[in-house]
Amino acid sequence: SAVISQKPSRDICQRGTSLTIQCQVDSQVTMMFWYRQQPGQSLTLIATANQGSEATYESGFVIDKFPISRPNLTFSTLTVSNMSPEDSSIYLCSVEGLGKGHTEAFFGQGTRLTVV
Amino acid sequence: GNSVTQMEGPVTLSEEAFLTINCTYTATGYPSLFWYVQYPGEGLQLLLKATKADDKGSNKGFEATYRKETTSFHLEKGSVQVSDSAVYFCALSDMDSNYQLIWGAGTKLIIKP
Repeated sequence: SAVISQKPSRDICQRGTSLTIQCQVDSQVTMMFWYRQQPGQSLTLIATANQGSEATYESGFVIDKFPISRPNLTFSTLTVSNMSPEDSSIYLCSVEGLGKGHTEAFFGQGTRLTVV
Repeated sequence: GNSVTQMEGPVTLSEEAFLTINCTYTATGYPSLFWYVQYPGEGLQLLLKATKADDKGSNKGFEATYRKETTSFHLEKGSVQVSDSAVYFCALSDMDSNYQLIWGAGTKLIIKP
C-alpha cells in the first residue's frame, strides 16, 4: 500500500495566477498520475509523471498549462498556470501498486481548487 | 479501446434497502476490475476488486462478482446505511491500457434515514 499526502487541500485563487499542488508518497514509486475531477464528473487523467523524464500528457492537456515536476521517486508537483474559472476542479494525485494485472490505485485526498 | 459504463446517478435509497449499481466493461484482454468509493470531501479509496472471471470481491458488506460472460461487475449491498452515501466508481486495468486505470463516470449514492 501507499500513503499519499497532497497539499493544499483546497484553495481559492484569482484568475490569471498559478497554483502548485504537491504530492508526497511514503514509498518509492515509478509512476505518479495526476487527475482532474470536474464537479459531478469522473476522473480525467492529465498526465503521467515518471522520475527523470518529462511527463506524458493526455490529449487536451499541455505542459505549458499544467507543468509537472518529478524530482525524485517520492514527490511530484502539478502547477495549474494562468488559471481561469474553467480550471475549478478537484485535482488528485495517484500512484498505482506493483504487480502486473493486479494494480490498485492509491490517491491523495485531493486539492479542491476554485478560481474566481 | 477499453471502456467502463456505469449506471447514471444519483441513486437515492432508504436506509436498509438493497443496493445494486451496474457496471459493464469493454476490454480486449483479461482485465482486473475495481470499485472505488469517494466519500464527501475525500479522495478515492479502493472498495473491492476482482482479478479474474468468477472472482468475487467483497468489503464492508459490499460485493461484486466478475462476470466475463456478461462483461459485468455490478456492485451490491444487502442493507445500506446513511454512511454509505458517496460516489462509487467502477474501473478496469489491463495490459492493453498499460495497466493504467480506465474509469467509469461514477454513480452518486444518497441514502436517506
